[in-house]
Amino acid sequence: DVKVTQSSRYLVKRTGEKVFLECVQDMDHENMFWYRQDPGLGLRLIYFSYDVKMKEKGDIPEGYSVSREKKERFSLILESASTNQTSMYLCASSLPWGHQPQHFGDGTRLSIL
Amino acid sequence: EDKVVQSPLSLVVHEGDTVTLNCSYEVTNFRSLLWYKQEKKAPTFLFMLTSSGIEKKSGRLSSILDKKELFSILNITATQTGDSAIYLCAVVSNNNDMRFGAGTRLTVKP
Repeated sequence: DVKVTQSSRYLVKRTGEKVFLECVQDMDHENMFWYRQDPGLGLRLIYFSYDVKMKEKGDIPEGYSVSREKKERFSLILESASTNQTSMYLCASSLPWGHQPQHFGDGTRLSIL
Repeated sequence: EDKVVQSPLSLVVHEGDTVTLNCSYEVTNFRSLLWYKQEKKAPTFLFMLTSSGIEKKSGRLSSILDKKELFSILNITATQTGDSAIYLCAVVSNNNDMRFGAGTRLTVKP
C-alpha cells in the first residue's frame, strides 16, 4: 500500500513565522501535490511537482513556496505565516500523468495565531 | 474557467437509506472523473470514470458518468454509519489539471 506521511497532524504557529510542512511518500511516485482544504471550498491546489527539483504553481500559490530535493519528500513553506493560512493542508502523490488516482496523507491542521 | 460542483453540500440520512450524490462539471478537454471518500483523515480513492454509461461498482457503492450531460452520480445503498464522510469529486483534464469539488458531507444516523 502507498504510504504518504505528513510530519505533523496539528500545528500552531504565530503570524510572521516561517512554517515548514513536510511530506514523505514511500512508493517512488514522480508526482507530489500540496492542497489546502477549507469548508465549502473543497481542495485547492497550491503547488505540485512532477520530478525532483521541479515545481509548478497551482491555483493558489501566493504566500507559499515548495521544495523537492529528493523524490520521496515534498515540503511546503509558508514564508511569513498569516491568519488566512489557517487551514487543513493535504499532501498527495501519484504515478506520472494519466489515469492515476492520487494517494493522500492524513493532513496537517495548521492554525496561525 | 473550469469548475466542479457537488450537490448537495450536506446530507443527513438514517441507516438503511439509499443516497445519491451528484457531481457536475465544466472542464475543458475532460479526461476522467474520480470519487474519493474522506473520513477524519486522508481522502481514499473510490472510483475513476472515463467512459459514459459504464457503471463502476464496489459493494454498496456504485458510480456512473454521463459525458453528454457532464455529470456523475455516486450511489450508496443500505447506508451504514460507517459511510458517514465527506465525498469528494475530482475531474482531470487532458492537460492533467485536477480540479476538486467542494465535497458532500454525508451523515448517516443509526
